[in-house]
Amino acid sequence: IAGITQAPTSQILAAGRRMTLRCTQDMRHNAMYWYRQDLGLGLRLIHYSNTAGTTGKGEVPDGYSVSRANTDDFPLTLASAVPSQTSVYFCASSNTPTSYNEQFFGPGTRLTVL
Amino acid sequence: GQQLNQSPQSMFIQEGEDVSMNCTSSSIFNTWLWYKQDPGEGPVLLIALYKAGELTSNGRLTAQFGITRKDSFLNISASIPSDVGIYFCAGQTSGSRLTFGEGTQLTVNP
Repeated sequence: IAGITQAPTSQILAAGRRMTLRCTQDMRHNAMYWYRQDLGLGLRLIHYSNTAGTTGKGEVPDGYSVSRANTDDFPLTLASAVPSQTSVYFCASSNTPTSYNEQFFGPGTRLTVL
Repeated sequence: GQQLNQSPQSMFIQEGEDVSMNCTSSSIFNTWLWYKQDPGEGPVLLIALYKAGELTSNGRLTAQFGITRKDSFLNISASIPSDVGIYFCAGQTSGSRLTFGEGTQLTVNP
């Protein structure tokens, strides 16, 4: 069982370029999340999806977009990358979006924007 | 919004020592979770707490859900080098998503 996979593992990107981070889960979880992790700031929620076909904004959504066409996939797109988006990005999923919300995390994507 | 304060931010200890870290909230939570993140990997769930006053152990780890429902602590006994990593608390109120603490960076010197 793979759980959650993310791709790429790492990426160096020129400012202004478009980039999509991929996330796939095989647990049939309803809810999925994207976080960014920065030193001293912990995990900050970018976008979430409570179920396929729906998405919502988290704490730091500006500059990012997501889609949830099906249960398994939840890609995160940076339309025009900026250096402040240099971070480690984690995708997570949970069976339900609210009660008893045990989230499972992917291995992360390390993104550097120059 | 909900605020979670996790302390300490970092700890440097000797192998064999016990460790204690805690989280406090401005809001009442129904669930407390503790995660560990190994270097270069994603966070992994260690312990989940669902009732006020609950004390749960997982090997050398013990966590408690505070009676006030606004705090939780995690203890690690007899630390070993592989305990190194970042420990996150996370709390949830009914009908909302998880809120994460800022993490405690643990370094264990052999």
